[in-house]
Amino acid sequence: QSALTQPASVSGSPGQSITISCTGTSSDVGAYNYVSWYQQHPGKAPKLMIYDVSKRPSGVSNRFSGSKSGNTASLTISGLQAEDEADYYCSSYTGSSTLVFGGGTKLTVL
Amino acid sequence: EVQLVESGGGLVQPGGSLRLSCAASGFTFSSYWMHWVRQAPGKGLVWVSRINSDGSSTSYADSVKGRFTISRDNAKNTLYLQMNSLRAEDTAVYYCARGQSNRIDYWGQGTLVTVSS
Repeated sequence: QSALTQPASVSGSPGQSITISCTGTSSDVGAYNYVSWYQQHPGKAPKLMIYDVSKRPSGVSNRFSGSKSGNTASLTISGLQAEDEADYYCSSYTGSSTLVFGGGTKLTVL
Repeated sequence: EVQLVESGGGLVQPGGSLRLSCAASGFTFSSYWMHWVRQAPGKGLVWVSRINSDGSSTSYADSVKGRFTISRDNAKNTLYLQMNSLRAEDTAVYYCARGQSNRIDYWGQGTLVTVSS
């Protein structure tokens, strides 16, 4: 049950695009198309942004997109906006009905 | 509107016990798996436990196995987490969350548990 690996921080200017990676193993990210991404603003509960690698819940901006290659999943945010500044966490199903999260990435909008 | 409201957090001494509750509303509670996820101060999210819709199957993170017990009362639309033998490293905000097809789709606002003498 080792945490998935994410960069500690990323940054970008308004209007730019950024990508956050999430690296797991062949037992979690690589084994299942059940990667989710969550946005968490300070002091708030996480919010689901992407599920099943690349699907967006109703109400989530299409500026958010997800993908996966092998054991690494990615979250891309295009047209960065000030309100996108937050912590982002990936999560993967690991089998046996358990989940594992990444360590989190702090996004700074310059 | 899906609502998950946690309660029961507080200050407890090392070795002590605490029971968290999560009141669910806005959806058919008995149809969904439920999870507990925790977040230590300034740290990331860590999955703790899950329970299936009728309470017959549970799973735990290795760090809490044998000390924590997840349960639910579908008649009361309430999820529980019994925490025994608490350690300083269990200090965290504990989130109740709804499961949906191998993901979590809704989260509560969390309840803070502090383990300290």
